[in-house]
Formats: sequence, C-alpha cells, structure tokens
Amino acid sequence: DTEVTQTPKHLVMGMTNKKSLKCEQHMGHRAMYWYKQKAKKPPELMFVYSYEKLSINESVPSRFSPECPNSSLLNLHLHALQPEDSALYLCASGEGQGTYEQYFGPGTRLTVT
Amino acid sequence: AQRVTQPEKLLSVFKGAPVELKCNYSYSGSPELFWYVQYSRQRLQLLLRHISRESIKGFTADLNKGETSFHLKKPFAQEEDSAMYYCALYGGAGGTSYGKLTFGQGTILTVHP
Repeated sequence: DTEVTQTPKHLVMGMTNKKSLKCEQHMGHRAMYWYKQKAKKPPELMFVYSYEKLSINESVPSRFSPECPNSSLLNLHLHALQPEDSALYLCASGEGQGTYEQYFGPGTRLTVT
Repeated sequence: AQRVTQPEKLLSVFKGAPVELKCNYSYSGSPELFWYVQYSRQRLQLLLRHISRESIKGFTADLNKGETSFHLKKPFAQEEDSAMYYCALYGGAGGTSYGKLTFGQGTILTVHP
C-alpha cells in the first residue's frame, strides 16, 4: 500500500460537536503530519509526529487535539470548532530524516456550521 | 527562518509553448527543495525533488544556490499540465525545523489548446 488514506472525505459539524478525523499509512514512514488548507492557498502545517511522539505544534488552538495511537495511524480530534476552521484537512507521511519528501492523503473537507 | 516565494499567482501558456514556474527561497542552511502539484479534485502529489535531478512528465528543476532559485521548466506544455504548482522547502532535521515543509503561495498554470 503506497497511499495515505483519510476518513471521512467530508464532514459537517456544529460548533458544539465533537468529531475525529482519521489518517492511515502503511509505508513504514516514521513521521506523520496534519495540515490545514484553505481554497487556493498552500497547506499550513499544524502538527508533526515523529516516532509516534508530537514533535511540532504550530501554535494550534486547543480545540484541535492530535493523537498518534501507533506508527500507522494519526487522528485529529475536533471540539468546539469555529466557522473559520472550515477547510480541507490534509494528512501526510514521510521518512522524517534522510529523505524529506512527504506524501499526502486526499484530505477531509470540513465544514463547521 | 525559511521562506519560499513564487512570484506568479497565475501563469497562462498555449499548448506546445515552453513554461517556467519561478521559485525563490530563503534559508540559511542547505535546503531540500521540492515541487508539488495539485490537479483539480486530486490530492497534492510530489512532482520533483532537487536531490534526484530527475525529469518527471517532462518537467525539470535545477537548484541554483547562487540565485537561491529552484525554477520548474517544461519545454512543451500540455493541456493536462494545467494545475496548481507549489514549490516547497524542507529546512532540515533537528531543532524546531524538524519535519517542517514550507510551501510557496502556489502558481496556477493554465495551458490553453
């Protein structure tokens, strides 16, 4: 399996809801990433996990809570989001060292109402 | 700090014409540079990495450290090349830059028939 998969594809949630985004990779990559992408804009890094440990948090509000249960899985727990958090959320994986390219999932289109 | 600049937001060419997408970077160390492409309704995918000096889909990119540039070129553009192109810089391992890929603002390439 040479792809990063993400579920769900689309998510609509209210500002009081709690939901989770899921990401999976089976390429043996040691680093996994969450990005936020607005329309026609580049991805903005949110979190980096290296060897299942959080190594970078780009000052993301606490209403976004990442979790890495094992080396293949990455979750993003969402709670009390705002309408401005509506965006495409991308997961990526990569070796993390030695070779630095990252491989992206298709994203979850999130709408906060 | 690391920064990537893509000066052209939009670029239009006719099929068969040469195309060059510009990318300049700012980084104090030795950068790892990439071009990513995002076709309509598809995931962000790696197109080229400078370290491998390869040609993918007829595209090439040369790292010019003196001019801090990594321009993407193709001698004969095709309609299927129409997409959003992002130049990205990896700042290297260690410290707060570990795992961080910084993207330029992107260039939308349109190839007309």
